[in-house]
Amino acid sequence: EPEVTQTPSHQVTQMGQEVILRCVPISNHLYFYWYRQILGQKVEFLVSFYNNEISEKSEIFDDQFSVERPDGSNFTLKIRSTKLEDSAMYFCASSSRIQETQYFGPGTRLLVL
Amino acid sequence: AQSVSQHNHHVILSEAASLELGCNYSYGGTVNLFWYVQYPGQHLQLLLKYFSGDPLVKGIKGFEAEFIKSKFSFNLRKPSVQWSDTAEYFCAVISFSGGYNKLIFGAGTRLAVHP
Repeated sequence: EPEVTQTPSHQVTQMGQEVILRCVPISNHLYFYWYRQILGQKVEFLVSFYNNEISEKSEIFDDQFSVERPDGSNFTLKIRSTKLEDSAMYFCASSSRIQETQYFGPGTRLLVL
Repeated sequence: AQSVSQHNHHVILSEAASLELGCNYSYGGTVNLFWYVQYPGQHLQLLLKYFSGDPLVKGIKGFEAEFIKSKFSFNLRKPSVQWSDTAEYFCAVISFSGGYNKLIFGAGTRLAVHP
């Protein structure tokens, strides 16, 4: 069964550093998403991406965040200058159509020191 | 604001007990509803979903959920839990209004099943 994959599984970085989280969505899916879950809190939507552009983003997704689909398979989330409060589990997801089931990857646990 | 509420944060049951996890949402329009499960050390997996039709939907591993539009609820049930059902369960909603495509999650319910 096709799966969403994410790398790395864990990332530790210093405050102010740039991080890139990588995702490989399910191959025939067209919609891609990033969510995050701060420890002990709800899973929160960050951004959705379709047809090589952002289709929706949350208030969390400020200028420090960016997404890119650099090739036909990868989908990345970049945080330009990490802050302590960016420490969280980041989940990538993909779906075949709008408002359809979203399939999640295993997550990247980001720790900012 | 759009929100999803899960009433129980922690539930502890013995094997063979029945399970019902509550979920309410605060949208007025058409929604798609989901239950996801996260087993220890694993990623979020779809348990079941409701888009339209029969409001009683069946999912994997013997789970079912009932959509009650008048109560804005989508409660998850299982008649007899097993130790392997120990996991965190998340209710989530996609609202059709405004063309939104984002999942709004509840806070999750941690279920522990004792043998």
